[in-house]
Amino acid sequence: GQQVMQIPQYQHVQEGEDFTTYCNSSTTLSNIQWYKQRPGGHPVFLIQLVKSGEVKKQKRLTFQFGEAKKNSSLHITATQTTDVGTYFCADNTNAGKSTFGDGTTLTVKP
Amino acid sequence: DTAVSQTPKYLVTQMGNDKSIKCEQNLGHDTMYWYKQDSKKFLKIMFSYNNKELIINETVPNRFSPKSPDKAHLNLHINSLELGDSAVYFCASSLGGDWVETQYFGPGTRLLVL
Repeated sequence: GQQVMQIPQYQHVQEGEDFTTYCNSSTTLSNIQWYKQRPGGHPVFLIQLVKSGEVKKQKRLTFQFGEAKKNSSLHITATQTTDVGTYFCADNTNAGKSTFGDGTTLTVKP
Repeated sequence: DTAVSQTPKYLVTQMGNDKSIKCEQNLGHDTMYWYKQDSKKFLKIMFSYNNKELIINETVPNRFSPKSPDKAHLNLHINSLELGDSAVYFCASSLGGDWVETQYFGPGTRLLVL
C-alpha cells in the first residue's frame, strides 16, 4: 500500500536554529497534509498542498510540495520553544484513508 | 464547544477486560475515524466510517469492534484487552465526500492495560 517515509524521526535544535522535516513517497501523491501534535496533545491540521511545486508559508513555517508530487517538506525558520512537538505529513490520496508519516519530533533548547 | 470529543480521557484496566471508548463530533461531518498511536508516536488508521457505514478496516484484531449509531458518533469496543493494546486512541472526523479533506482529531484516550 501507499507509504510515506518521513525523516528525521527526531531533531534537537537550539532556539533560533532552523528545522526541516521531509516526507517522501515512491508513488505520486494527490495531495499532502501537514499536522502538528504538541506533547500530550492531539494532531492539529496545519496545511494542505495539492499542486505540483506548490509553496505555502505560515509565518515562520514554509511548506513545499515537490514538482513530481512525490515529496514534501516543512521548514521552520528561527525555531522557538513553542514549536516543540511532533510534525506529521499525511497522504490522503485514497479517499477516506490518510496514511501518516512516522512523524518528526522536534525539541527546542532555550 | 469541543468539535470532536472522546470519553474517557484516561483508561487503566486489567488484561482480559472488555472496554469501550466513545467519540462524538458536532461538526456535521460524514466521515469518522479511529487511529492508534503507539509509544513511538506512530499514528495508524484502524477504521473509517462514512455516514454510519464502514469504509476502511485496516488489519486490526477482531477484538476491536467499531460501532456507529449515527453519523455523529463512532464508538470503539475492545474485547479481551492485551498488554499490546496500551496506546493512545484518537478519534477524528472529516467532511466526507471529497478526497481532499482536513481531519479534526479528538483529544485522545490514553489506554493502559496492566
